[in-house]
Amino acid sequence: NAGVTQTPKFRVLKTGQSMTLLCAQDMNHEYMYWYRQDPGMGLRLIHYSVGEGTTAKGEVPDGYNVSRLKKQNFLLGLESAAPSQTSVYFCASSIQTGNYEQYFGPGTRLTVT
Amino acid sequence: DAKTTQPNSMESNEEEPVHLPCNHSTISGTDYIHWYRQLPSQGPEYVIHGLTSNVNNRMASLAIAEDRKSSTLILHRATLRDAAVYYCILRDVDNYGQNFVFGPGTRLSVLP
Repeated sequence: NAGVTQTPKFRVLKTGQSMTLLCAQDMNHEYMYWYRQDPGMGLRLIHYSVGEGTTAKGEVPDGYNVSRLKKQNFLLGLESAAPSQTSVYFCASSIQTGNYEQYFGPGTRLTVT
Repeated sequence: DAKTTQPNSMESNEEEPVHLPCNHSTISGTDYIHWYRQLPSQGPEYVIHGLTSNVNNRMASLAIAEDRKSSTLILHRATLRDAAVYYCILRDVDNYGQNFVFGPGTRLSVLP
């Protein structure tokens, strides 16, 4: 049982390049989330999904797109990377929303130059 | 969303108890109090949560004030591995569209 895994662990992009971050969970969780964390700050929610084929915007969705084609995977895309998107990205999953704990992945450190 | 207020940082000596406070004066009746912590270079991990009564688990205890406007996370014997940022979060169990809102948290340093 690997829990929540994220690919890649590190990435450096040039401004304007695109990339996709992959999140996978093997706990059969319905809900999945993408957060970003800037230095010295708490996490901010980018997008989330309440089930396969559904996605919704979080607090800071601009510049990102997501897809949940399979229940176990949640993809975060950057179509045209900007230096302001330099951050650590965390994926999380939970059985449901409400009172259930979220399980977090190890994070992806992205630098945009 | 109801907000929480935590001290920016705290220090503790190893093997001593630590009391991490959280104020949430605008908490609603359906808000649960959750605590997560984030070890250096890792994703956050769940610690404990509760509604009204005090809660204990293998990691910590959660003491909730009678009026629920504040709570305290208690680590009974701090170890060096407990050095982390601790987040106090309110979660409205009836609001299915809401998600966790992480503030800056409290950075706990544990001195050997």
